Amino acid sequence: ETGVTQSPTHLIKTRGQQVTLRCSSQSGHNTVSWYQQALGQGPQFIFQYYREEENGRGNFPPRFSGLQFPNYSSELNVNALELDDSALYLCASSLEPGLRTEAFFGQGTRLTVV
Amino acid sequence: AQSVAQPEDQVNVAEGNPLTVKCTYSVSGNPYLFWYVQYPNRGLQFLLKYITGDNLVKGSYGFEAEFNKSQTSFHLKKPSALVSDSALYFCAVRDPLGGNTGKLIFGQGTTLQVKP
Repeated sequence: ETGVTQSPTHLIKTRGQQVTLRCSSQSGHNTVSWYQQALGQGPQFIFQYYREEENGRGNFPPRFSGLQFPNYSSELNVNALELDDSALYLCASSLEPGLRTEAFFGQGTRLTVV
Repeated sequence: AQSVAQPEDQVNVAEGNPLTVKCTYSVSGNPYLFWYVQYPNRGLQFLLKYITGDNLVKGSYGFEAEFNKSQTSFHLKKPSALVSDSALYFCAVRDPLGGNTGKLIFGQGTTLQVKP
């Protein structure tokens, strides 16, 4: 098991609502990335936070936003939920950004939008 | 565009037999390649990575992967499969065009089924 923890593990929301997902990074890791994994698909990069700043973003609309705190934990916020937002949301932490470092994933939050 | 392909949706192998899970990639520049495994209702677990050096990379749980630059492949292998290896396997490549994020691009995944 990695030291990356996510909460909650499961969540059901209604279309149009807002949701906040949380992630605690592994000790010593200052970089957190968020991925969305739709059913039967590989994870897709949403964005990354490094030292409390957004460090890069994938092809997701602005209603997906995030935060990183001084202790390097992170939140993913999704506004105006749509049915297609139903997915497993994965948080990954790494020692630093970059091409060479491996990312360690949490167990994910399963979001269902009804 | 950077991409990863896992041509097999499912691989079936008998326990004790060798296994191979295939992965090919398309990326500009040097490829940084990773394998992850996902058990049901769980996150991804890191297995191994290729950054540079020897083409045969050894990882966790007896897995290894062979990097082949000419064939742009990074196949995952294990000499003797266990029933407990049954899971969903993802190949991924770092996107060199993703700035310094180290953004991972994943394949669609391959389900490995090991039968007793």
